[in-house]
Amino acid sequence: QQKVQQSPESLTVSEGAMASLNCTFSDGTSNNFRWYRQHSAKGLEVLVSIFSDGEKEEGRFTAHLNRANLHVSLHIREPQPSDSAVYLCAVSGATGGNNKLTFGQGTVLSVIP
Amino acid sequence: EAGVTQSPRYAVLQEGQAVSFWCDPISGHDTLYWYQQPRDQGPQLLVYFRDEAVIDNSQLPSDRFSAVRPKGTNSTLKIQSAKQGDTATYLCASSLINYAEQFFGPGTRLTVL
Repeated sequence: QQKVQQSPESLTVSEGAMASLNCTFSDGTSNNFRWYRQHSAKGLEVLVSIFSDGEKEEGRFTAHLNRANLHVSLHIREPQPSDSAVYLCAVSGATGGNNKLTFGQGTVLSVIP
Repeated sequence: EAGVTQSPRYAVLQEGQAVSFWCDPISGHDTLYWYQQPRDQGPQLLVYFRDEAVIDNSQLPSDRFSAVRPKGTNSTLKIQSAKQGDTATYLCASSLINYAEQFFGPGTRLTVL
């Protein structure tokens, strides 16, 4: 069964500094990776979807995927206080099928002015 | 384009009571998902539908939980005889076709006392 772990559990950065979040997964045949942001009492907002090794940029958000190392990361350039939220990594594909997202437990990001 | 809507937004009940959650997906989306998100955890898939058919309900506690999507549009998730362990946010998501991006509603936050 797919296991997805995120680190750190919480992260505090100053406005404008780079924020880096990590996610490891257990099924090396997975082929769909997404990062979501969840503000309190709101639904999940997809930030970046990545399907092959390398880098994918969407505005200030960049995902890096290394399937050999079972690792995907998210880097947030010039974070703002409005980026303070829970960030969730989701993995799907291969044995679980592309519809079944397995989420990590989340990283709580706080951006201080 | 209207997003995924859910109601109610909040529910508080005593153990043993029943509760229903309602979801209206994005118009035209054929696939609908229900997730359970306990506090400080990532969402976990409970069940998903393609049109009115249940595709996977393997994670749905069948003794107390039920989900229907009778006309392939709106969906209802019901908990009979709720337990304190059911305290969580229940998220609904929809997608247009298989393997496509899932769009999430704001969720229903359930507290069972």
